Amino acid sequence: KQEVTQIPAALSVPEGENLVLNCSFTDSAIYNLQWFRQDPGKGLTSLLLIQSSQREQTSGRLNASLDKSSGRSTLYIAASQPGDSATYLCAVWSGTYKYIFGTGTRLKVLA
Amino acid sequence: GAVVSQHPSRVICKSGTSVKIECRSLDFQATTMFWYRQFPKQSLMLMATSNEGSKATYEQGVEKDKFLINHASLTLSTLTVTSAHPEDSSFYICSAKPGLAGGVHQETQYFGPGTRLLVL
Repeated sequence: KQEVTQIPAALSVPEGENLVLNCSFTDSAIYNLQWFRQDPGKGLTSLLLIQSSQREQTSGRLNASLDKSSGRSTLYIAASQPGDSATYLCAVWSGTYKYIFGTGTRLKVLA
Repeated sequence: GAVVSQHPSRVICKSGTSVKIECRSLDFQATTMFWYRQFPKQSLMLMATSNEGSKATYEQGVEKDKFLINHASLTLSTLTVTSAHPEDSSFYICSAKPGLAGGVHQETQYFGPGTRLLVL
């Protein structure tokens, strides 16, 4: 059974810092991994989608990497801003043809 | 890009009543739709998977007679919470997986904005 874990559960950083969010999964046989952002009381915003054949994806200040063999993905946020404050979720699409979500990291960027 | 809508965005109902939530794929056909539930400060938990024209597949621990799912067309799935109770209060999110039609990425899901249900 696929399990997805995210650490840290919560993170508070001053504005301008670069930071890394971690996602680990127990079954390496995945089709893709996706990082989402969720603002309080809102739905999901897709940030980056990494296919199983890819090592990383980049969008603006965001970079996500994937290491299937070790069951890990990281989301790197450069030059963090207060507007980046949100909960970040990773989700893994595996052989069961459904997304399994991680526990989330609540990020707060202080001005 | 692919867009999924949900209606209503927020609903308040009395205990014992039924509530229907709609999930629509606006610009693509979705052979499969998924329903998730999210309790405060928790992650999304898959409730059920629905395929157009067939019965939904429920995850372990989800009561199929309480959470009725209908996927009557390739663009619409509905979730009905029957005889709702306060413990059903949650954030319900649907997602849709495109079919074989081109134009959108196949091996992914597109998420709706969510519906917040409050049962008094």
